[in-house]
Amino acid sequence: GAGVSQTPSNKVTEKGKYVELRCDPISGHTALYWYRQSLGQGPEFLIYFQGTGAADDSGLPNDRFFAVRPEGSVSTLKIQRTERGDSAVYLCASSLSGRGTGELFFGEGSRLTVL
Amino acid sequence: AQSVTQLGSHVSVSEGALVLLRCNYSSSVPPYLFWYVQYPNQGLQLLLKYTSAATLVKGINGFEAEFKKSETSFHLTKPSAHMSDAAEYFCAVNEDDKIIFGKGTRLHILP
Repeated sequence: GAGVSQTPSNKVTEKGKYVELRCDPISGHTALYWYRQSLGQGPEFLIYFQGTGAADDSGLPNDRFFAVRPEGSVSTLKIQRTERGDSAVYLCASSLSGRGTGELFFGEGSRLTVL
Repeated sequence: AQSVTQLGSHVSVSEGALVLLRCNYSSSVPPYLFWYVQYPNQGLQLLLKYTSAATLVKGINGFEAEFKKSETSFHLTKPSAHMSDAAEYFCAVNEDDKIIFGKGTRLHILP
């Protein structure tokens, strides 16, 4: 499809395990964002890529969270030693140029449940 | 830091009635402001955005928002609510190259 694709749509894991969430942005979009949405809250910014590089990772909560975008397209959000508090919907969005002025196109999210 | 505050986590209106969802922003520089909507089981999508070209911004599905600098507000309105408008609405502001979202307002439409 032409939209932002996120996999898996649902992930259930046990406390302490490692998790990877994948985002496939719209072709040609140079900017890619990761957000986290907890129940009853708005999307919380995690990290923003411009091309291959992380332009702003100020929202990553701690060093258990890491994201990569090695070829400037697909991105993977990696969570080590998961905790129950990591349970949330992880949203990916892409944008043609970034810069905070353009439209973000969101995927449907990956729902992570840590037991 | 930039931020937005949405007044009312839940708003209920009757079908055909005016929709008013409130958003106030805090920004040290002229902001770009956005309203996004999230329909059940769908991803967020842009309703409209303000980028300083005009204070009254028209969006999709009959929604509009007015930027009022004196009130630091960017409220979302629609003259006549439809059942299909039931969704969660998020106000957002730019901070550097990223977008900061409010906590959202869930809109309920009463038949």
